[in-house]
Amino acid sequence: DAKTTQPPSMDCAEGRAANLPCNHSTISGNEYVYWYRQIHSQGPQYIIHGLKNNETNEMASLIITEDRKSSTLILPHATLRDTAVYYCIVRSRLEYGNKLVFGAGTILRVKS
Amino acid sequence: DGGITQSPKYLFRKEGQNVTLSCEQNLNHDAMYWYRQDPGQGLRLIYYSQIVNDFQKGDIAEGYSVSREKKESFPLTVTSAQKNPTAFYLCASSILGHSTDTQYFGPGTRLTVL
Repeated sequence: DAKTTQPPSMDCAEGRAANLPCNHSTISGNEYVYWYRQIHSQGPQYIIHGLKNNETNEMASLIITEDRKSSTLILPHATLRDTAVYYCIVRSRLEYGNKLVFGAGTILRVKS
Repeated sequence: DGGITQSPKYLFRKEGQNVTLSCEQNLNHDAMYWYRQDPGQGLRLIYYSQIVNDFQKGDIAEGYSVSREKKESFPLTVTSAQKNPTAFYLCASSILGHSTDTQYFGPGTRLTVL
């Protein structure tokens, strides 16, 4: 499994863009990068995923470097409700099924 | 509304007792998963199931058991053999069990052993 490295915490002003980095230098060619977030005492929420190209949905944008060794999740206009732990995950495929390997993540604090 | 439900939200158990955590989904997903989360930690896979009447052990299956008699249900039993069962338990599901399938999570059950 490719491992990921994220900063332990970040602060962001409300209304500004939050840029959350993730390093995954050992990612293999067929592995996707997924982002989830978890608000305190709730189940993780899927945000976005990508393979090579940049991706955008209603929640966020995902920028993956050309060498795929790192990526950045962008929340374009952070709100207080975006305060959560953000997990960058590389998907591994088991023989039968798959699992999500969650690391410690980044605690994002959005401040007014 | 489609989604994943887990019950109860909070559960207390005495040492030596077995307890069963419920997980139901109405998303018509084939694959379901159970994860455990400890304070300040990431998720660890306990069991997963890709089809009815079949399931596989994850990384920390010891002391746990599951069943998959119906597509929409995947209950987890925490047995007395689990040495440190106090944790936050999360159920998830995905369309199939492929690596490209997004997993969606329920709200979780917080189990405390007294």
